[in-house]
Amino acid sequence: NAGVMQNPRHLVRRRGQEARLRCSPMKGHSHVYWYRQLPEEGLKFMVYLQKENIIDESGMPKERFSAEFPKEGPSILRIQQVVRGDSAAYFCASSPTADGLYGYTFGSGTRLTVV
Amino acid sequence: SQQGEEDPQALSIQEGENATMNCSYKTSINNLQWYRQNSGRGLVHLILIRSNEREKHSGRLRVTLDTSKKSSSLLITASRAADTASYFCAPAYTGSRLTFGEGTQLTVNP
Repeated sequence: NAGVMQNPRHLVRRRGQEARLRCSPMKGHSHVYWYRQLPEEGLKFMVYLQKENIIDESGMPKERFSAEFPKEGPSILRIQQVVRGDSAAYFCASSPTADGLYGYTFGSGTRLTVV
Repeated sequence: SQQGEEDPQALSIQEGENATMNCSYKTSINNLQWYRQNSGRGLVHLILIRSNEREKHSGRLRVTLDTSKKSSSLLITASRAADTASYFCAPAYTGSRLTFGEGTQLTVNP
């Protein structure tokens, strides 16, 4: 039981490049959530996905950001044409149900630095 | 908003003292969960208390729930430097995802 796996742990991108963040949920979990955290701040919800479906993307910027959770493979958070303001820690969580009644399991995060 | 609000924002104590953090929420819950985040790491689920429970213990953690006041508290007894972290509460509602507030930053000084 490997828990929620995120990779890479650290990612450095130059302005204008693309960043791809991966998240493999816990075995048996089909619900995935992405959060962004700036230093000294709380978690900001970005998007909630189930297999092959985006359920709630209300927290995701309309441009440059996209997320997917394909039938096979990890969930991907993609940021195109990164800017310095995208530098943050991005966390993924998974759960066994569509609500949070049984709690979330979090990954260790990907720290994105845009230079 | 369905997120909990933690209070205080920051708490600094000496090793061996008890630390109490509070959480308030707005509408009736199914359960309430507490999480810990060590610096630079993901959140870790600490304890879950159901709406029909008033108190729950796990090691040095004690959680209380007062549904009439829509509040919960997390008590860490005999704190250690390793307890230094941010603590978040998450009210859980049937059919809704969890939302997280700003947390309480606990510093335990050796």
